[in-house]
Amino acid sequence: GDSVTQMEGPVTLSEEAFLTINCTYTATGYPSLFWYVQYPGEGLQLLLKATKADDKGSNKGFEATYRKETTSFHLEKGSVQVSDSAVYFCALIKAAGNKLTFGGGTRVLVKP
Amino acid sequence: DAGVIQSPRHEVTEMGQEVTLRCKPISGHNSLFWYRQTMMRGLELLIYFNNNVPIDDSGMPEDRFSAKMPNASFSTLKIQPSEPRDSAVYFCASSLEEGARETQYFGPGTRLLVL
Repeated sequence: GDSVTQMEGPVTLSEEAFLTINCTYTATGYPSLFWYVQYPGEGLQLLLKATKADDKGSNKGFEATYRKETTSFHLEKGSVQVSDSAVYFCALIKAAGNKLTFGGGTRVLVKP
Repeated sequence: DAGVIQSPRHEVTEMGQEVTLRCKPISGHNSLFWYRQTMMRGLELLIYFNNNVPIDDSGMPEDRFSAKMPNASFSTLKIQPSEPRDSAVYFCASSLEEGARETQYFGPGTRLLVL
C-alpha cells in the first residue's frame, strides 16, 4: 500500500541554521505530495505541495522538489526562525485517490 | 472565510458515554474528511464524504464509530459507547473538490479524553 517515511525527530537547531527534513514515499503512479505544518495546539496547515515530477513547491522560505527517480520530497529552509518550531508532516494523495497518507511527523525545535 | 470549524475544542468524558464531534466545512467545499491523531498511530483517515455522501469509511475503527453529513455545511462524528482507547485529537478537513490535486484544509481539532 501507499506509505510515507520521514526522518524521526526531534530536530533541534539554532536560529538561522539550515533545515532539511527527509521524506520518501511509496505509491503507484504519480501521487501529489504535500508538506503540512502543525504548530503547538493547532490543526494542520498546508505548507506547500507539488503535483507532478520535478515540480518545486515553496512557501514562507521553505522548498521541496518532487523527485520521481528517488521517490522523495525533502523539505528545506535556508535560515530557520524560532517561529518555525512545529511538527512537520509529509503526505501524499495517490493519483486516483482522495485520502491523505501521512508520514509520522518530524518535530523541529529552533532555539534562539 | 472562517476556515473549518470544529466543536467542541476539548471534551472529557467517562467510559461508556456517547460523544459527538461537530464540523462545519469551508463554504463551497464539496469534500469532507475526518482524521484521528494519536501518538501510537499518527494521523489516520477515518471517513470521507463527497457531496454529503460517504465515499470511504474503511478507516472507521469499529461499529462504535459513526459519521453523518446531513447537509453541505455540517457533519458529525459520533462514538457510542466511548472507550479510553478512543482518546485522541480528531480533525475535520474539507476540500473544494475530490482529487489528488486538491488541498485539504484542516480545522483546529477536538481533543478527546475518555476516562
